[in-house]
Amino acid sequence: KQEVTQIPAALSVPEGENLVLNCSFTDSAIYNLQWFRQDPGKGLTSLLLIQSSQREQTSGRLNASLDKSSGRSTLYIAASQPGDSATYLCAVSGTYKYIFGTGTRLKVLA
Amino acid sequence: NAGVTQTPKFRILKIGQSMTLQCTQDMNHNYMYWYRQDPGMGLKLIYYSVGAGITDKGEVPNGYNVSRSTTEDFPLRLELAAPSQTSVYFCASSSEFSGVGELFFGEGSRLTVL
Repeated sequence: KQEVTQIPAALSVPEGENLVLNCSFTDSAIYNLQWFRQDPGKGLTSLLLIQSSQREQTSGRLNASLDKSSGRSTLYIAASQPGDSATYLCAVSGTYKYIFGTGTRLKVLA
Repeated sequence: NAGVTQTPKFRILKIGQSMTLQCTQDMNHNYMYWYRQDPGMGLKLIYYSVGAGITDKGEVPNGYNVSRSTTEDFPLRLELAAPSQTSVYFCASSSEFSGVGELFFGEGSRLTVL
């Protein structure tokens, strides 16, 4: 059974710092991995999708990497801003479905 | 382009009542999902469907039922509501692309059972 873990559960950093969020999964036989952002009381917004054949994806200040063999993904946020404050969730897909981690709650202090 | 649309956005139920959460998507996706999110937690998969007429249980299916008569619609039925079903429910859809492709979410339905 696939299990997805995100560490740390919460993180507070000053504005301008570069930071790394971690996602680990127990079964390396995945198809895709997706990172999402969720603002309080809102739905999920897709940030990056990494296919299993890829090592990383970049969008603006965000960079996500994937190491299937070790069961890990990282989301790197460069030059963090208060507007980045949100919960970040990763999800891994098998053949038909995504399984989610519990998320990292990020607060960027001005 | 509406994407994934869920209704209602908010609902309060009494214990023992039943209701249906509606979900429709206009992206012609074959894969559709229902997740629930409890406070401070990640998302748990309730049911999913890989096409019209095909549904399967996820991690937490007890107390729920689904049907998929068309590609566009995937309603979630709650029978005999219980306080443990107080949660935020998200519907999502995806194309099949190298397994499951990018997941698109609705805005969520916040359900309270009193």
